[in-house]
Amino acid sequence: QVQLEESGGGLVKPGGSLRLSCEASGFIFSDYYMSWIRQAPGKGLEWIAHVTSSGGTTDFADSVKGRVSISRDNANSRLYLHMSNLRVDDTAVYYCSRHGVKPAATWFDSWGQGALVTVSS
Amino acid sequence: QSVLTQPPSVSGAPGQRVTISCTGSRSNFGTGFDVHWYQQFPGTAPKLLIYTNNNRPTGVPDRFSGSRSGTLASLAITGLQGDDEAVYFCQSYDSALNGWVFGGGTKLTVL
Repeated sequence: QVQLEESGGGLVKPGGSLRLSCEASGFIFSDYYMSWIRQAPGKGLEWIAHVTSSGGTTDFADSVKGRVSISRDNANSRLYLHMSNLRVDDTAVYYCSRHGVKPAATWFDSWGQGALVTVSS
Repeated sequence: QSVLTQPPSVSGAPGQRVTISCTGSRSNFGTGFDVHWYQQFPGTAPKLLIYTNNNRPTGVPDRFSGSRSGTLASLAITGLQGDDEAVYFCQSYDSALNGWVFGGGTKLTVL
């Protein structure tokens, strides 16, 4: 059964940095595109970063471009999100998500439980 | 402001049918990108409900169905039950933004 488990969330000061991890199990991790999606308290969902199955191509939402990077370790079935220069409005639950089957891969068929990141002084 | 537009709330009585609309634009639905739907209960992660307009993942009851025509998509729920009370999100891909986009979410209340 597909499982995604995020870790690394917590309280960070504005301007600070954080790395989130997502451990995947129950499927062949290297076969799937992966994304990070966040949800601010009481708000909707916002896709922020994507990486192809090989890790060779990444995409970012404009709201985080230049402050965020995404990477993956296919040997250990792990996905990462590195965030820097964090702002108060980056406060959200961050979800690790698996894309649906290729070639379309435009939906998210599995989600982790989420990691809360709070940016506050 | 979400790229895809959903009503903030809908409601219906048990047993009734409700629909949730999701309005897109030329750069997402209009380009031919599909719509997908998610269900989210408070304090939990979203769950895929419908993919590529009208397909249900294994385990999703056939009371849930989806459709898309032009720049408008809809999620229909028939035989409404109390445990359908949740927030529903539509989602697609946008070629102008080069990214995946969501609607703002619709809270379904079962009266």
